[in-house]
Amino acid sequence: DTGVSQDPRHKITKRGQNVTFRCDPISEHNRLYWYRQTLGQGPEFLTYFQNEAQLEKSRLLSDRFSAERPKGSFSTLEIQRTEQGDSAMYLCASSTEGGPSGNTIYFGEGSWLTVV
Amino acid sequence: QQPVQSPQAVILREGEDAVINCSSSKALYSVHWYRQKHGEAPVFLMILLKGGEQKGHEKISASFNEKKQQSSLYLTASQLSYSGTYFCGTDLQGAQKLVFGQGTRLTINP
Repeated sequence: DTGVSQDPRHKITKRGQNVTFRCDPISEHNRLYWYRQTLGQGPEFLTYFQNEAQLEKSRLLSDRFSAERPKGSFSTLEIQRTEQGDSAMYLCASSTEGGPSGNTIYFGEGSWLTVV
Repeated sequence: QQPVQSPQAVILREGEDAVINCSSSKALYSVHWYRQKHGEAPVFLMILLKGGEQKGHEKISASFNEKKQQSSLYLTASQLSYSGTYFCGTDLQGAQKLVFGQGTRLTINP
């Protein structure tokens, strides 16, 4: 039973470079979420998909951030022209579509980004 | 609107009980509780839907007061493995888009 997988787990990049993170959700899950977490804070919502459709983007997600989920399977989160303030852990999560009992949202292990 | 968790931190001895609260200024559809250990992903504990239900699992249980827009997590006879930061995530509309509180850091000492 595989969980949510994220790659890479750690990335150190120079300011101004582009980075891309990949997330593979649990196979039967049609919803996929991206969150960002900095030290001492709770996860902050960035965006989410239902199948291949991106349903909502947070105002936190500047134009430098883009997320895709082609074919409703894996997802990528790209950050262009990275800034030091982008340093954080990027968490991917997935779930099935909500129902009367609610549905559990499962998180991946996260991708740590350090911008130097 | 971010929910408010209290206390921000608590230190217990093994075997003691703890209560962590989560309050929202808006009506809630559901509350999700997670525990996160340093450097790891949040791990799901339980979900509570509007209706004032209480759920339990081993020595960890939670309640949801819809009228007060609050949820509480109860840790009974705490074990060393309970240490970590606890987050509540609130869902306002049933869209399962969670907004997380700032966390409650729980330290259990032998």
